[in-house]
Amino acid sequence: QVTLKESGPGMLQPSKTLSLTCSFSGFSLSTSGMVVSWIRQPSGKSLEWLAAIDWDGDKYYNPSLKSRLTVSKDTSNTQVFLKITSVDIADTATYYCARSLYGYIHYYVMDAWGQGASVTVSS
Amino acid sequence: IQLTQSPSLLSASVGDRVTLSCKGSQNINNYLAWYQQKLGEAPKLLIYNTNSLQTGIPSRFSGSGSGTDYTLTISSLQPEDVATYFCYQYNNGLTFGSGTKLEIK
Repeated sequence: QVTLKESGPGMLQPSKTLSLTCSFSGFSLSTSGMVVSWIRQPSGKSLEWLAAIDWDGDKYYNPSLKSRLTVSKDTSNTQVFLKITSVDIADTATYYCARSLYGYIHYYVMDAWGQGASVTVSS
Repeated sequence: IQLTQSPSLLSASVGDRVTLSCKGSQNINNYLAWYQQKLGEAPKLLIYNTNSLQTGIPSRFSGSGSGTDYTLTISSLQPEDVATYFCYQYNNGLTFGSGTKLEIK
């Protein structure tokens, strides 16, 4: 069974760096074709894809946020991390990590999602 | 590519055939998916590549379309289908539509 779970600080101040962790089980990011993405959703609004990292360590970013984002993974291939620098109120959202499998559906079609981590940016 | 979903709110009766629309600002080349998001939950993949039903999704859900215009159809609306539905294109960049909220009348 594939499960993902996001964790984060809950609340942080403007200008700080947001650090999020995605812990998953039921698959390994070392498996060929495996991809983990980060997506966020402000309350009551639509979704925004942020970044992805794949089995080969290749990383892809939303062009509009690229300068502020860093995605990485741990050496055991069971966790993925996202850092967002210089946060402001507009970064307040629920942050999801999600899995996709290249060669199964599509590199960027997420078929399993975590429950989401709520992040509030406030002074 | 920008995606425009319509209507933003849809109210229908149990058993109704329901059609949700998603229109792209450019050709999407059938690289379109549909997600269902129930209140307080994560999105759930329903349809990918325009008309491929994800494993485990009831057959009352179907997708169609081409070019810039795509449709999600629920053949017989069930109470558990109350949710917001998002279309998502992965042809050129990655973008989600603004969503259609589906309610039971």
